[in-house]
Order: sequence, then structure tokens, then C-alpha cells
Amino acid sequence: AQKVTQAQTEISVVEKEDVTLDCVYETRDTTYYLFWYKQPPSGELVFLIRRNSFDEQNEISGRYSWNFQKSTSSFNFTITASQVVDSAVYFCALNDNNDMRFGAGTRLTVKP
Amino acid sequence: ETGVTQSPTHLIKTRGQQVTLRCSSQSGHNTVSWYQQALGQGPQFIFQYYREEENGRGNFPPRFSGLQFPNYSSELNVNALELDDSALYLCASSPGGESLAIYFGEGSWLTVV
Repeated sequence: AQKVTQAQTEISVVEKEDVTLDCVYETRDTTYYLFWYKQPPSGELVFLIRRNSFDEQNEISGRYSWNFQKSTSSFNFTITASQVVDSAVYFCALNDNNDMRFGAGTRLTVKP
Repeated sequence: ETGVTQSPTHLIKTRGQQVTLRCSSQSGHNTVSWYQQALGQGPQFIFQYYREEENGRGNFPPRFSGLQFPNYSSELNVNALELDDSALYLCASSPGGESLAIYFGEGSWLTVV
């Protein structure tokens, strides 16, 4: 069955610390897509990254980086040198066979 | 600013009533999907429309229905509202036939009393 698990409910760090948000997924499909979204208090989901199942190359975008490991069904997200503006709820999501499944989210608080 | 707009922003309905939520997708996007997000939870996929046809549906009862218009805007209709329908309803649009929810609107907050 399709499932996304974000085991960390809440994380609190001090500004400039690095932080990794974990995501583990389950799917029977060989073709699927993985996503990360940021949801600030305003409610709008902000797209961060999409990765398809055939592309295991890790990606870096500024302070953000993603580690996709098919062998462990994980798609972890790291923020380097965190900032207060990074405070939000972050969702990992899996899309396969026209069905999109989100994890429960991780609330990240970055303190000054 | 994603170019996806939803209306209304907030609304309050009474149990048993019907509600229609609207979404204008980003220009050029022909795929629209809808999600329900209860407080403190992740979004749950309701359904998706591609070129005016439903082409994917999550685990929601038939009283959740939708439409997509020729200009690719969309409506979500919920009949016989229940208290548990209180949630943030999010619309997302994407440019192709693949089910890739990329650009989200700010959502419609529905409270059922």
C-alpha cells in the first residue's frame, strides 16, 4: 500500500544549525514521484522539489539538499545553516498511479 | 505567488448544507487536483481533473464531486456537509497530463457547524 512516513513530528533548532527532515515511503509501483513542500502559517503549500523514481541523483539548491535512496525508500531533506524564515511545516509526498499521498508533516522551528 | 487562486478564502456552513469551492489554475495548466487538509494533518488527495475529465480519485465518498471547465478552472462540491468536513481545501495545478501537483493555491478554510 502507498504510504509516506515522516517520523519527526516537531524539530527545534537554533539559527545556523543544520537540520535533516526524514521521509520514508512505501509503494508497489516502479514508477513514482517524490516531493517536498513547505507550508508556512499562511497555509499555501510551496513546492520545493520533485524527484522521479529513476533519478537517484542527489540535488542541492542553495541551502537545501535532498538525499534520495531507493534501497532504503527514503527521501531526506537537509537545510544547511538554518534561518528563522525556514520555520514552517514541511511535507514529503509520494505520487504513483495518479494518487498523491502526503506524510503527516514535520514542524520545524528555527530559533534566533 | 503561484498563479493559482481559490475562493472563497473562508466560509462557515451548517451541517447538511452544500458548498462549492472554486479554483482558477495557473495559465497554461490543464490539470487540477483538490486536497483536504484537516488541522494538524497532511493534505489528503480528493481527486484530479485533466482536460475536464476526472482521472484520479482518493478515498472520499461520492458526496465530494468536482468539475473542470474548458478554461481549466475547477470547482469542488461537497453535499450533505458533516462536521468532519471542516478543513482547509487546497487546489493545485500542473502543466501536463501527469499527476504532478506542483502549484498550490492558498486554500479555502471551511468550517462546518
